[in-house]
Amino acid sequence: GESVGLHLPTLSVQEGDNSIINCAYSNSASDYFIWYKQESGKGPQFIIDIRSNMDKRQGQRVTVLLNKTVKHLSLQIAATQPGDSAVYFCAETVYNAGNNRKLIWGLGTSLAVNP
Amino acid sequence: KAGVTQTPRYLIKTRGQQVTLSCSPISGHRSVSWYQQTPGQGLQFLFEYFSETQRNKGNFPGRFSGRQFSNSRSEMNVSTLELGDSALYLCASSLIPGQGAGDTQYFGPGTRLTVL
Repeated sequence: GESVGLHLPTLSVQEGDNSIINCAYSNSASDYFIWYKQESGKGPQFIIDIRSNMDKRQGQRVTVLLNKTVKHLSLQIAATQPGDSAVYFCAETVYNAGNNRKLIWGLGTSLAVNP
Repeated sequence: KAGVTQTPRYLIKTRGQQVTLSCSPISGHRSVSWYQQTPGQGLQFLFEYFSETQRNKGNFPGRFSGRQFSNSRSEMNVSTLELGDSALYLCASSLIPGQGAGDTQYFGPGTRLTVL
């Protein structure tokens, strides 16, 4: 079936520490993955993406790692700040019967940063 | 550039009523997708429109419908509301369709619907 799951529903870290949010996906044919951040009262916001021909991609303070062998995705946030407190979603691309692409979203991980 | 706007932001309805939600995409974006977000189910894809045509739809009953206008603005309608329809309804726009799979998707703040 189509599903994207998360290992931890909540994560609490100290300000300045590094955070790692994990995500397992089930569709081995998925070729594109995205991480979104959703702050309270707002819609999800794109953070970083990665294509299946890569195993690592870095952004500003964030790194996404992709392990296709075990169908695992992770988001690493360096020097976590209070402003990073949010729910983080991973999403994978699947194709429907009409060969149209669509995203399947995980349930989200809540990240709480303690000052 | 203005972001995605959704109106209204909050709505309270009773069972059996119908509701219409509106979404204005980022200027130049022709693709609009709608999602339902609940604590238990996460983000569930409702449908996607591109150039006034529905390109893709999720697994929701026919009570959920939508449309897109020539100016790319989109509306979704839910008829015969049920208690379980209480959720945050999110709209997202992008340059090309694919619900963010082919192009970055930008979300609005959502409409919080409460069904009593």
